[in-house]
Amino acid sequence: DVKVTQSSRYLVKRTGEKVFLECVQDMDHENMFWYRQDPGLGLRLIYFSYDVKMKEKGDIPEGYSVSREKKERFSLILESASTNQTSMYLCASMGQFQETQYFGPGTRLLVL
Amino acid sequence: SQQGEEDPQALSIQEGENATMNCSYKTSINNLQWYRQNSGRGLVHLILIRSNEREKHSGRLRVTLDTSKKSSSLLITASRAADTASYFCATGTSGNTPLVFGKGTRLSVIA
Repeated sequence: DVKVTQSSRYLVKRTGEKVFLECVQDMDHENMFWYRQDPGLGLRLIYFSYDVKMKEKGDIPEGYSVSREKKERFSLILESASTNQTSMYLCASMGQFQETQYFGPGTRLLVL
Repeated sequence: SQQGEEDPQALSIQEGENATMNCSYKTSINNLQWYRQNSGRGLVHLILIRSNEREKHSGRLRVTLDTSKKSSSLLITASRAADTASYFCATGTSGNTPLVFGKGTRLSVIA
């Protein structure tokens, strides 16, 4: 079974802090994704990566950056956390010739 | 950009009843998928239907796709309390383009 893990289930940070959210998948998938999920807004794509060291902006990249130094790991970085980045963050991966995404359990981030 | 729009936003039914959720989308697709999310958890893939298919079954799930109307429906038969979750449709296009998710339908099955 594909396993996608996220470094934390819950995080509490202060405004202005730098925040790292880590995602690791164990199925050698080329594609990885970061979404945020907010009530009434569904899932919105922040960034995705289709290969090591490659990244593409999604629909809402502002205030975020990403890093993919190794194939199995995709990190989401909040350079200076703000209260409007309080949200549920979901990571997903997908194989190169596959069509289904596999999700991690999510990280609920609260920025005070 | 969100393509799929689920309807209704919320649905409450009794255990044993059937639950039907609908999804509409805007552009051409290669496939349409349904995912389930239990409260506070990640999404889990349920079923995929390709653009050249009209109906697909998996256990108690039945999915239909009408590409002329750009719509799909998910039917859960003989619902159980454990089916309580949010259900999302997602549309896939070509290559490695990310799926586009709708806002979801929140299903409550009352025992």
